[in-house]
Amino acid sequence: AQTVTQSQPEMSVQEAETVTLSCTYDTSESDYYLFWYKQPPSRQMILVIRQEAYKQQNATENRFSVNFQKAAKSFSLKISDSQLGDAAMYFCAYRRMLGTSGTYKYIFGTGTRLKVLA
Amino acid sequence: NAGVTQTPKFRILKIGQSMTLQCAQDMNHNYMYWYRQDPGMGLKLIYYSVGAGITDKGEVPNGYNVSRSTTEDFPLRLELAAPSQTSVYFCASSRRGDRGGSTNEKLFFGSGTQLSVL
Repeated sequence: AQTVTQSQPEMSVQEAETVTLSCTYDTSESDYYLFWYKQPPSRQMILVIRQEAYKQQNATENRFSVNFQKAAKSFSLKISDSQLGDAAMYFCAYRRMLGTSGTYKYIFGTGTRLKVLA
Repeated sequence: NAGVTQTPKFRILKIGQSMTLQCAQDMNHNYMYWYRQDPGMGLKLIYYSVGAGITDKGEVPNGYNVSRSTTEDFPLRLELAAPSQTSVYFCASSRRGDRGGSTNEKLFFGSGTQLSVL
């Protein structure tokens, strides 16, 4: 069964510094998507970044980038120049296709709470 | 754009009561999902639907029912509320996509329903 593990329940970073959130996953599939979602206190789930497993190039979105290590099944999120607005829960998620039916499911990790210190 | 709309935002139920959490999306998405988020945990899939008239169980379906009579709506029914169902419930939707056509692939989330069963 696929699992997603976030081993850091909580992280802190100084404003303007860089922080890396860890995520590992377990799968026997070769074709899948990985995501990082941000959940601020408003509870809204916001997509931060997405990685397609067949792409070797690491995804980047402005101050957010990933380090995707497919063989190691690792998908960490790096936030550069941290801002107070980055404070939130961050969830790593894995999506896989089920057979050829087009059905797919998302599996979420337990989250990492990021605190940004002024 | 309304996106995914969930109602109500908050609800308190007594043990044994029933209620329906409403979810509607206006993006013509095929896929819709119901998740629950318990404190300190990730999101667990309750039910999902790949199109009107088609639903399937997720990881934690016991105590819930769903229906999908239209593409837009995906209500979640609790028949006999129990304290174990106290949680935050999220509805989400996405396009059907595969490697070739899903450059915008992501889950769109509603704002969540905080449900307490006392």
